[in-house]
Amino acid sequence: GAVVSQHPSRVICKSGTSVKIECRSLDFQATTMFWYRQFPKQSLMLMATSNEGSKATYEQGVEKDKFLINHASLTLSTLTVTSAHPEDSSFYICSARRGRDQPQHFGDGTRLSIL
Amino acid sequence: AQSVTQLGSHVSVSEGALVLLRCNYSSSVPPYLFWYVQYPNQGLQLLLKYTSAATLVKGINGFEAEFKKSETSFHLTKPSAHMSDAAEYFCAVQDDYKLSFGAGTTVTVRA
Repeated sequence: GAVVSQHPSRVICKSGTSVKIECRSLDFQATTMFWYRQFPKQSLMLMATSNEGSKATYEQGVEKDKFLINHASLTLSTLTVTSAHPEDSSFYICSARRGRDQPQHFGDGTRLSIL
Repeated sequence: AQSVTQLGSHVSVSEGALVLLRCNYSSSVPPYLFWYVQYPNQGLQLLLKYTSAATLVKGINGFEAEFKKSETSFHLTKPSAHMSDAAEYFCAVQDDYKLSFGAGTTVTVRA
């Protein structure tokens, strides 16, 4: 159990395009979902935390208007990178958990490449 | 804030040899600690977690970790490395509701 599906796995698009990434918990209800960014050969950097039905909490330095997060249901959260530029190219990973004391389960990530 | 430090960014072992990955934590309260593994171009997979129930925690794929409060450590071990263990390993501590990750340790396995 505890499967998290992330889609798409890879996106290549032109500069200025907006890109939406979906994160779904397939077999459990996720009270909280997290979005991370990972640069090559580096650890995961938390971008934001989203709780179902409420606004996301962004980490310091993460632009809220650039990275729009929606958590409309207990099984789906989306990250939209608006007007993406080459510097937004990265590996984005989502995670989800059932409750506060439960471990996070991760999606397989999305490789975003902006040309 | 709670944090973890992984000692050694790269570990190389021979197939069949012991795998030892080091992680030290900094926490003012009993921590929740985790080890995750990441294969290339994939997300993270939970190997094991410590939540104060037992100091020796057994995980998947033959891995285990021991929580040592006196040493503030949570090192990950596997008695006999397999080629499929080649991956990136992250130690993490739960700080309030968030995970704080170490820098990661890359494991390579020599035939």
